[in-house]
Amino acid sequence: NAGVTQTPKFRVLKTGQSMTLLCAQDMNHEYMYWYRQDPGMGLRLIHYSVGEGTTAKGEVPDGYNVSRLKKQNFLLGLESAAPSQTSVYFCASSYPAGKRSSYNEQFFGPGTRLTVL
Amino acid sequence: AQSVTQLGSHVSVSEGALVLLRCNYSSSVPPYLFWYVQYPNQGLQLLLKYTTGATLVKGINGFEAEFKKSETSFHLTKPSAHMSDAAEYFCAVSDLKTSYDKVIFGPGTSLSVIP
Repeated sequence: NAGVTQTPKFRVLKTGQSMTLLCAQDMNHEYMYWYRQDPGMGLRLIHYSVGEGTTAKGEVPDGYNVSRLKKQNFLLGLESAAPSQTSVYFCASSYPAGKRSSYNEQFFGPGTRLTVL
Repeated sequence: AQSVTQLGSHVSVSEGALVLLRCNYSSSVPPYLFWYVQYPNQGLQLLLKYTTGATLVKGINGFEAEFKKSETSFHLTKPSAHMSDAAEYFCAVSDLKTSYDKVIFGPGTSLSVIP
């Protein structure tokens, strides 16, 4: 199993450009998440999804949109990139279908390093 | 609301020395607690977790952590540091009021190991 994969690994954008980050998981997980990581701030949740066709806002959703048209994919979009969105973006997933417990470990992808000039 | 603090954004230890990374949390309900490790240019991976039961939790690579309710702490230790332990370490607390495995991460501690 590949686990959680993210594309691209690196990207440089100019202010105002748009882009989509793709996350894919092959573990049949129900839940998926997008985080951003900034120095000294840990990881902050941008958006999450509890199932195919559903999305919800996390802690820092402004300037981002997401879609989950297929269970295994979770897309993060930046419609008009700003320098404040320079960050490392991580996707994660959890909750194997049919195996609900009081806690389900999150599995992380390798990250996408985005620079907005 | 739950929160996590990690004392020391950067810790340096000599190879073979004790590793101690501090984590304190605030939570209105008994929490689940976690330590994640992030090696350079990689994603996070779970090091260990406390949910219920024994308060001393053992994880991968010789790390362990002890849940101390009275001190609201979950410090991470390893008796003897190895060069391969150099990484970023994140303490996290579960938000049990949500239904989607939400965790709240601390700011992280970067561990350097000096030969």
